[in-house]
Amino acid sequence: DVVLTQTPSTLSATIGQSVSISCRSSQSLLDSAGNTYLYWYLQRPGQSPQLLIYLVSNLGSGVPNRFSGSGSGTDFTLKISGVEAEDLGVYYCMQATHAPWTFGGGTKLELK
Amino acid sequence: EVQLQQSGPEVGRPGSSVKISCKASGYTFTDYVMNWVKQSPGQGLEWIGWIDPEYGSTDYAEKFKKKATLTADTSSNTAYIQLSSLTSEDTATYFCATGNNPFDYWGQGVMVTVSS
Repeated sequence: DVVLTQTPSTLSATIGQSVSISCRSSQSLLDSAGNTYLYWYLQRPGQSPQLLIYLVSNLGSGVPNRFSGSGSGTDFTLKISGVEAEDLGVYYCMQATHAPWTFGGGTKLELK
Repeated sequence: EVQLQQSGPEVGRPGSSVKISCKASGYTFTDYVMNWVKQSPGQGLEWIGWIDPEYGSTDYAEKFKKKATLTADTSSNTAYIQLSSLTSEDTATYFCATGNNPFDYWGQGVMVTVSS
């Protein structure tokens, strides 16, 4: 199975600070058709996860543009340009290039 | 508006089975596969598998092939997951999720507790 390693596991930030989360894959997530099925989700406390970014860098519906995704192959990054209070929670990357689909271990974003 | 309404919390005895439902609304049920995801207490997310409601075809992660059975009823726009031979390892929250992308939309989750 593909292992996704997220760093850091915990991130402390102040409101307005810009932060980045790394997601590294044990295998390339580029498929033979040239697609990279890498996604980012946010799970706020007590809630279901929600889609933030799809296919590496595309913003999900209704997601603020302070969120951005980048990367290729095995290295991917989620950036938040100016953290807001509503951004607190656990962030997960997920890959759907290789079966079985797998999630990273999560990065908890908390207030400093 | 797409909504996935899941059934209520379940308590199952070790060795028994439970069946959870996920009723879909706000879209054509057969347009997207329905996924199921497990979240153990205080832990991360695990993909269990998906079912295509139109054809009934399924795909499971290897570790859940003997644990979970996915079904769907197109007459009621409802997907189901049955968990069998329950052990303490099955105590978790189970989410259904669907959409054009994997997990565009999520249910609220169902807590399953295995206890004697």
